[in-house]
Amino acid sequence: DGGITQSPKYLFRKEGQNVTLSCEQNLNHDAMYWYRQDPGQGLRLIYYSQIVNDFQKGDIAEGYSVSREKKESFPLTVTSAQKNPTAFYLCASSAGQLRGYTFGSGTRLTVV
Amino acid sequence: QKEVEQDPGPLSVPEGAIVSLNCTYSNSAFQYFMWYRQYSRKGPELLMYTYSSGNKEDGRFTAQVDKSSKYISLFIRDSQPSDSATYLCAMGDSGYSTLTFGKGTMLLVSP
Repeated sequence: DGGITQSPKYLFRKEGQNVTLSCEQNLNHDAMYWYRQDPGQGLRLIYYSQIVNDFQKGDIAEGYSVSREKKESFPLTVTSAQKNPTAFYLCASSAGQLRGYTFGSGTRLTVV
Repeated sequence: QKEVEQDPGPLSVPEGAIVSLNCTYSNSAFQYFMWYRQYSRKGPELLMYTYSSGNKEDGRFTAQVDKSSKYISLFIRDSQPSDSATYLCAMGDSGYSTLTFGKGTMLLVSP
């Protein structure tokens, strides 16, 4: 079945550590997105990529980095510069304007 | 004024009720309108998609867009406890590369 796979489902990070969240899709979608979701805040865009080897900052990119070396993969690194990383992270992909987004099942990151 | 406004709820209804969920927006360039359903601790899933104005029906769900009022609605008929979730509206303009989301309305349907 086609879809988006996010891993791990739960992730714990110590203070000062970088961690990488995985996002893989087999939908042949060109565009991929990373969102952060906090209670009461809705979805906030971190980064997005419309094509391989190209990506743009979203509204809250500080403290995060991404790469897009393959069409299928769009990993997100949460760096130590992100001061409040505890949140639910969602990856999405899209085949174009008339298709909306397909979301993964999310990764819950907790700082310990 | 935020671009997309959505009442966070919770909206509590008894099983079988008709539910109305709404979003207002300020950007008149929006042409693509979507509703997503998100269960707790899961990713959102696309429920309804409407281009420009008008109504769209899919089973128990009806999406309405009133561009003159900058107002969109999702109606759920014969609501079920399994409809209990957070409903997010999302919008894009003609050249959109990213969607603008509402913050979501939590719906609780009691048996």
